[in-house]
Amino acid sequence: DTEVTQTPKHLVMGMTNKKSLKCEQHMGHRAMYWYKQKAKKPPELMFVYSYEKLSINESVPSRFSPECPNSSLLNLHLHALQPEDSALYLCASSQELGEQFFGPGTRLTVL
Amino acid sequence: QKEVEQNSGPLSVPEGAIASLNCTYSDRGSQSFFWYRQYSGKSPELIMSIYSNGDKEDGRFTAQLNKASQYVSLLIRDSQPSDSATYLCADDTGTASKLTFGTGTRLQVTL
Repeated sequence: DTEVTQTPKHLVMGMTNKKSLKCEQHMGHRAMYWYKQKAKKPPELMFVYSYEKLSINESVPSRFSPECPNSSLLNLHLHALQPEDSALYLCASSQELGEQFFGPGTRLTVL
Repeated sequence: QKEVEQNSGPLSVPEGAIASLNCTYSDRGSQSFFWYRQYSGKSPELIMSIYSNGDKEDGRFTAQLNKASQYVSLLIRDSQPSDSATYLCADDTGTASKLTFGTGTRLQVTL
């Protein structure tokens, strides 16, 4: 299985809502990532988990809260988002160092 | 500040021709280089990785790396309309699993 899956595919939420994005991989990869991508821009790294521990937080606002329950799962909890947070949210995984494989993404719209 | 630079395009090539995509990077410590293809509205898909100087071929794709000149390129032979996409170049210094992406080159293969 060489796939990274993400749910939901699309999410619309209000600024007062709490929601979560989910990511799963079964490739035995030890690193997992959250990226944010705006239209016509490259992916922008948000968080890196290595061996289930948060290793990089790219100064992301606290309204985004990552969680890694186990080596296969990665969540991104969302609370009190702003309309400018609307974007494609991408999960990726890799061996500790090396090629990163992306999931299909969650298209988030904040109203 | 690490930088990866690409011409944003669009690069237009006729069907059957060779498309040549170029990328330069600023960090001499970069160890690994990746090319991702991204169709509009979809997530990035890894198509090539290259780690040492020279050429690496995979089907119609050839990646070329020149560390002395700090550039990496991607050649696509026998270009097809289905190759029309944005191609993202990325490098990795190998210390923290952080990819630095270029802004991408949009390729259009015309009939």
